[in-house]
Amino acid sequence: QKEVEQDPGPLSVPEGAIVSLNCTYSNSAFQYFMWYRQYSRKGPELLMYTYSSGNKEDGRFTAQVDKSSKYISLFIRDSQPSDSATYLCAMSGGGGATNKLIFGTGTLLAVQP
Amino acid sequence: DAGITQSPRHKVTETGTPVTLRCHQTENHRYMYWYRQDPGHGLRLIHYSYGVKDTDKGEVSDGYSVSRSKTEDFLLTLESATSSQTSVYFCAISDRAGGYTDTQYFGPGTRLTVL
Repeated sequence: QKEVEQDPGPLSVPEGAIVSLNCTYSNSAFQYFMWYRQYSRKGPELLMYTYSSGNKEDGRFTAQVDKSSKYISLFIRDSQPSDSATYLCAMSGGGGATNKLIFGTGTLLAVQP
Repeated sequence: DAGITQSPRHKVTETGTPVTLRCHQTENHRYMYWYRQDPGHGLRLIHYSYGVKDTDKGEVSDGYSVSRSKTEDFLLTLESATSSQTSVYFCAISDRAGGYTDTQYFGPGTRLTVL
């Protein structure tokens, strides 16, 4: 079983829809949670960063972490065609010289105009 | 974009030939990473560096070596390329400012095809 599981999609939604992207994980030591967005043939870019449980909002994007359920989510409100990309979750335990990020496999999102 | 460049951006080579990919950063970040990205596997860590001449193995290091002689450059070498190393390779950097998490910033990637 992978440490981080992510539904690969593809997920197709109409413009203006609310999108929910999710990851589950098995390692209870994870404390830092990130969402990256990757456009086709580009490098991943950091979208959201959250520490421990709770919500974080940035414009149309909201990241949620539920450590008790080992479940994280990214919500996109009023989705736009420009949001069409692959969304990768990533997480780490934090601290230490050898601490590393563990990535999900990514969810491909298509927002139809 | 973070100041990260990768070269070459595309390369086609033959099985058995050596290949070196270069990552160059202008951010003076201490940590540098090499990943490969394949369908169904996501991003997998090959090697990373936590300082000049300080490197360590990642999840999929077999067949790869790295070197870091300067803060700004991190080289990934495939000593004898195989078709299973056909992939997209990404370099990432991190400064772990304030002791916080390993938030990483990625380069544009190198698309490598081994025939």
